[in-house]
Amino acid sequence: DAGITQSPRHKVTETGTPVTLRCHQTENHRYMYWYRQDPGHGLRLIHYSYGVKDTDKGEVSDGYSVSRSKTEDFLLTLESATSSQTSVYFCAISESDSQETQYFGPGTRLLVL
Amino acid sequence: QKEVEQDPGPLSVPEGAIVSLNCTYSNSAFQYFMWYRQYSRKGPELLMYTYSSGNKEDGRFTAQVDKSSKYISLFIRDSQPSDSATYLCAMSFSGNTPLVFGKGTRLSVIA
Repeated sequence: DAGITQSPRHKVTETGTPVTLRCHQTENHRYMYWYRQDPGHGLRLIHYSYGVKDTDKGEVSDGYSVSRSKTEDFLLTLESATSSQTSVYFCAISESDSQETQYFGPGTRLLVL
Repeated sequence: QKEVEQDPGPLSVPEGAIVSLNCTYSNSAFQYFMWYRQYSRKGPELLMYTYSSGNKEDGRFTAQVDKSSKYISLFIRDSQPSDSATYLCAMSFSGNTPLVFGKGTRLSVIA
């Protein structure tokens, strides 16, 4: 998985609780992304980062926030989890400057009860 | 109309068949086209990457882009049971702009 780890890999939580998912890379890539994958919707971009402290919203950013204080870590926070945020979350990284390819982590399965 | 359309399948073929997977898109500004393979309960992995129009071949896999028709294809020759997976097309405008994905086509290759 191209030096990408995600934690936790599985999580069950209750509606209204805060949840933070972590993406860690060892590739020193500039760009990092958070996606969610749901049946019937495919992969949808939540937020992305183009450098430390530089982030932007994706297609489905409502209810999510992100932070990137170090090159290697990109955190996704659900401030108050809802059942509609039950999904599989994937982190991806891409090389800076030249390549338009992204490499994905193994995913985090989140269930919000 | 969604930006990227992909038939979700499922598609079931016998071992050894030639498989054709396709996506259509609406925005002519897309320049970079990718195919990802995703096994069950795994992250997507990059299979093919193409810039602009044309063909690209890698072993049993061939990617085609027809920008005039806004249509991309992935061909798998001599398909194997290990090719059974979901195939996602993706595209982007330029540089490291975010990818836009199709919903994926689920393929089963039967031995």
